[in-house]
Amino acid sequence: DQQVKQNSPSLSVQEGRISILNCDYTNSMFDYFLWYKKYPAEGPTFLISISSIKDKNEDGRFTVFLNKSAKHLSLHIVPSQPGDSAVYFCAASAYGNEKLTFGTGTRLTIIP
Amino acid sequence: EPEVTQTPSHQVTQMGQEVILRCVPISNHLYFYWYRQILGQKVEFLVSFYNNEISEKSEIFDDQFSVERPDGSNFTLKIRSTKLEDSAMYFCASSEARGQGNSPLHFGNGTRLTVT
Repeated sequence: DQQVKQNSPSLSVQEGRISILNCDYTNSMFDYFLWYKKYPAEGPTFLISISSIKDKNEDGRFTVFLNKSAKHLSLHIVPSQPGDSAVYFCAASAYGNEKLTFGTGTRLTIIP
Repeated sequence: EPEVTQTPSHQVTQMGQEVILRCVPISNHLYFYWYRQILGQKVEFLVSFYNNEISEKSEIFDDQFSVERPDGSNFTLKIRSTKLEDSAMYFCASSEARGQGNSPLHFGNGTRLTVT
């Protein structure tokens, strides 16, 4: 079951630069997309989300872009900070459906 | 900030034994969930629970699994007869409202279950 895919298992970015994390999905019934951040020995923490009726949502240093025709979303972090080093999960849900479908995660390392 | 708390943080059990994983969701939340992550794999949905009943469950959540809200604060996941493949990190989550658009899930730090 590969409905949500994060093709990059890891990403390293210099502090202060932009981090771009990518996510692809196959299920056209998904209508809400979320990004979660996870530190070791902790549970996932909600970061930012976007509804399928929008193509961009911004919250401080974090912006999520959604391209419905390509079934692709991305998370931009700018400027990247050392505390952003974590595993980032993309997740999606379908209307009327409570469950989240997660991607496999991308480990982001910010290099000081 | 209110948190979802899970106990124990690590549980080791022998195959065939029953285990109960415990969670205290955020107090004003009404929807409760269990997810699990097998080492190296995705976080997977197990079950959602609202108004004292299961509202949705995955195919993983078979007859060996059950959930309960025994009192006003705890939410438990029971595995009746554990198998080796049940070894995973189990995450409890809660949300204020139904559906991700209304309120995202808040996760606990997980219980690592090791079945030997």
